[in-house]
Amino acid sequence: DQQVKQNSPSLSVQEGRISILNCDYTNSMFDYFLWYKKYPAEGPTFLISISSIKDKNEDGRFTVFLNKSAKHLSLHIVPSQPGDSAVYFCAANPGTYKYIFGTGTRLKVLA
Amino acid sequence: KAGVTQTPRYLIKTRGQQVTLSCSPISGHRSVSWYQQTPGQGLQFLFEYFSETQRNKGNFPGRFSGRQFSNSRSEMNVSTLELGDSALYLCASSLVGPRIRLPRAEEETQYFGPGTRLLVL
Repeated sequence: DQQVKQNSPSLSVQEGRISILNCDYTNSMFDYFLWYKKYPAEGPTFLISISSIKDKNEDGRFTVFLNKSAKHLSLHIVPSQPGDSAVYFCAANPGTYKYIFGTGTRLKVLA
Repeated sequence: KAGVTQTPRYLIKTRGQQVTLSCSPISGHRSVSWYQQTPGQGLQFLFEYFSETQRNKGNFPGRFSGRQFSNSRSEMNVSTLELGDSALYLCASSLVGPRIRLPRAEEETQYFGPGTRLLVL
């Protein structure tokens, strides 16, 4: 049973536009969330995180929004650049010494 | 500061063999987690170690085991390899690991190594 879901396996966006990647979770007890980016043949790279005491966290071009009532988080990338093309994973901490990852969304930014 | 290193990077084994993968965490990090990544399955949690103690284990058979040494380096072992064990095995380290929330939550953020690509024939 997938507790962290990324329902869009892929997304294509024009360079300079906004990319929005979505993630849903099932357990309202999850209260710390992270986004990772992964290039082929490399390990995931930490991007940004958010705890449940916030509903938004920004870091440069990356913003994560958390909607606790909907059990939904999203990652916004503005403006999107070709170098952002990668697989993006969201993860949640259930408080049991592990993270639960989604299956990933492949973002392609078109030049 | 050097990142997480994993050795070997690539490995080819045959069914029934065993394999040992190694992970060296970022200096000062005491938590090491292992994940298996297969196409379409995302990252599946294997186990997490902190100060040589396994704090959690994922839903994998007993053929998958691990350990952590006093210098925080970690190894994972897979015995009696099966074709389905072919995957990218990722190691991640953090200061304190995925635990309860802290005022400075970045202490539990995990940083990943490049992975070991295992192919079982």
